[in-house]
Amino acid sequence: QLQLQESGPGLVRPSETLSLICTVSGDSISSNTYYWGWIRQPPGKGLEWIGSMFYSGSADYNPSLKSRVTISVDTSKNQFSLNLSSVTAADTAVYYCARLYTRIADYWGQGTLVIVSS
Amino acid sequence: DIQMTQSPSSLSASVGDRVTITCRASQSIFSYLNWYLQKPGKAPKLLIYAASSLQSGVPSRFSGSGSGTDFTLTISSLQPEDFATYFCQQSYSPPYTFGQGTKLEIK
Repeated sequence: QLQLQESGPGLVRPSETLSLICTVSGDSISSNTYYWGWIRQPPGKGLEWIGSMFYSGSADYNPSLKSRVTISVDTSKNQFSLNLSSVTAADTAVYYCARLYTRIADYWGQGTLVIVSS
Repeated sequence: DIQMTQSPSSLSASVGDRVTITCRASQSIFSYLNWYLQKPGKAPKLLIYAASSLQSGVPSRFSGSGSGTDFTLTISSLQPEDFATYFCQQSYSPPYTFGQGTKLEIK
């Protein structure tokens, strides 16, 4: 049974870096079939694609966030991570990690709420 | 970016009703269109991919159609567990944008 679990701080100060980890169980992150990505949802709003990465390092990012986003993969731990720098209140959201088949999110983590506030 | 527009934004219906939700893309996305269901406090769940392919385990009362710019999600006979918010997503061109959502409520 594939499971994805987000972890990281629930509160981040403005201008600092938001860092989240997604731990994958039940599948290998080194699979040559899937990408692994992040999607967020501000409270009461819709979904926003952040970016995705293949285990080899090939990545794509939302241009609106590209200058601030890094997604990386740790195959030894079967994890992938999200770093979002210079956060503001607009980055407050539930952050989901997901497995992606040709950019279709077929499995999702439960999501983790990150609040940006001083 | 490709803009995805869903209609209606909200919809009231009764158990047993047939319901259709529409998603329109700002340019052709061929059949690279996916539908998700989200219940309050939960992660979205994939229902339909590639416009009309039913994800494994999803009941057959859900169906999708369309290509190019216009797509529909149809629920043939609403069940109590179907009352939720539905999102479309294009997986044709990055960033892989979502529609704003359609909230399906009980009448």
